[in-house]
Amino acid sequence: EVQLVESGGGLVQPGGSLRLSCAASGFTISGHWMHWVRQAPGKGLVWVSRISPDGSNIIYADSVKGRFTISRDDAKNTLSLQMNSLRADDTAVYYCARAYNSLDYWGQGALVTVSS
Amino acid sequence: DIVMTQSPDSLAVSLGERATINCKSSQSVLYSSNNEHYLAWYQQKPGQPPKLLIYWASIRESGVPDRFSGSGSGTDFTLTISSLQAEDVAVYYCQQYYSAPLTFGQGTRVEIK
Repeated sequence: EVQLVESGGGLVQPGGSLRLSCAASGFTISGHWMHWVRQAPGKGLVWVSRISPDGSNIIYADSVKGRFTISRDDAKNTLSLQMNSLRADDTAVYYCARAYNSLDYWGQGALVTVSS
Repeated sequence: DIVMTQSPDSLAVSLGERATINCKSSQSVLYSSNNEHYLAWYQQKPGQPPKLLIYWASIRESGVPDRFSGSGSGTDFTLTISSLQAEDVAVYYCQQYYSAPLTFGQGTRVEIK
């Protein structure tokens, strides 16, 4: 059974850092493009970043470029998102998702709250 | 960036009746090399992650009830729920995966009348 489980969310002060992890099971992430999508409270879905199967092709949304870093550890079958210089408008539930005919599997999400 | 615009923002439909959601992309999402529209539909219930319903604009994901169907071409697409059930109450999103950044519509909330 395919599963994605995010961890690492929490409360952080503006300007702080947080690292999200997404543990995959039931498939190997090395065979898929992987994405992060976020959703601010009560708002819609916003794509954040993606990484290619070999890790060579990485793209970010303009709103996070230069602050967030996506990476993958194929040995641990885990996707990560390093978030630096966090701002209040980064507050959201962050989902990792597998790409296969669009985004076919999503994790349950990790809540990141940026507040003083 | 491709802008995705859904209409309406919300709709209330009686149980057993048809619900129709529209989605318009600011440019074509048709990939000419395989003649596929890179358009997906998702359902999101409160407190849950999105669930893929439709991909390639009209292909139903495995396990999705056949009352859900997708149609359209070029820049105009539709998600139809042929006979609304109580468990279909949710927010529905269209999304293009033709080009980065991937973009979503603003969502359409479906409720029971």
